[in-house]
Amino acid sequence: NAGVTQTPKFRILKIGQSMTLQCTQDMNHNYMYWYRQDPGMGLKLIYYSVGAGITDKGEVPNGYNVSRSTTEDFPLRLELAAPSQTSVYFCASSQQDLGYTFGSGTRLTVV
Amino acid sequence: DAKTTQPPSMDCAEGRAANLPCNHSTISGNEYVYWYRQIHSQGPQYIIHGLKNNETNEMASLIITEDRKSSTLILPHATLRDTAVYYCIVSVIGRSGGSGTSYDKVIFGPGTSLSVIP
Repeated sequence: NAGVTQTPKFRILKIGQSMTLQCTQDMNHNYMYWYRQDPGMGLKLIYYSVGAGITDKGEVPNGYNVSRSTTEDFPLRLELAAPSQTSVYFCASSQQDLGYTFGSGTRLTVV
Repeated sequence: DAKTTQPPSMDCAEGRAANLPCNHSTISGNEYVYWYRQIHSQGPQYIIHGLKNNETNEMASLIITEDRKSSTLILPHATLRDTAVYYCIVSVIGRSGGSGTSYDKVIFGPGTSLSVIP
């Protein structure tokens, strides 16, 4: 099993550009999440999904969108990149009471 | 806000036990205690979780007080590779009920930065 795979690992965006952060898991987990982590800070929940076709907002959803058309994939969309979105983005998945499995992260810089 | 309180930092001598405390005085009866760690900008790693009984796995032990208002993560023989930020989280995760599915948002606090010293 590959676990949770995130692509790309690094990206530099210009202000106003758009991009999609990809996340896929091969563990057949129902629950998937997107977090961001600013330098020296903890993780903030952006969006989460409890199953295909179901998504909901977390703590910091503004400026982002998600979709969950399959169990495996949970992409995160940035429509108009802003410098405040410079961060490390982590995707995770879980199955009910079991712990989360995190991906290795995408390091995004908006200039 | 996170539902837990942890010391911001701790040191531990290599080879000794590292005991990381966590206060969760407002924990509900159906909330689990989870521990994760994050080694230098990597993705967080699940360590262990429990409801009310003490738990042990190959990585650590989790001791939960009888009133469940606090817990301690124990790394029995700390190594330099255990230097990381450790997060204590309480949550009800993925509870299904009737025709709907409930979910409790997992909030990560700042955690405890553990430094294992040679």
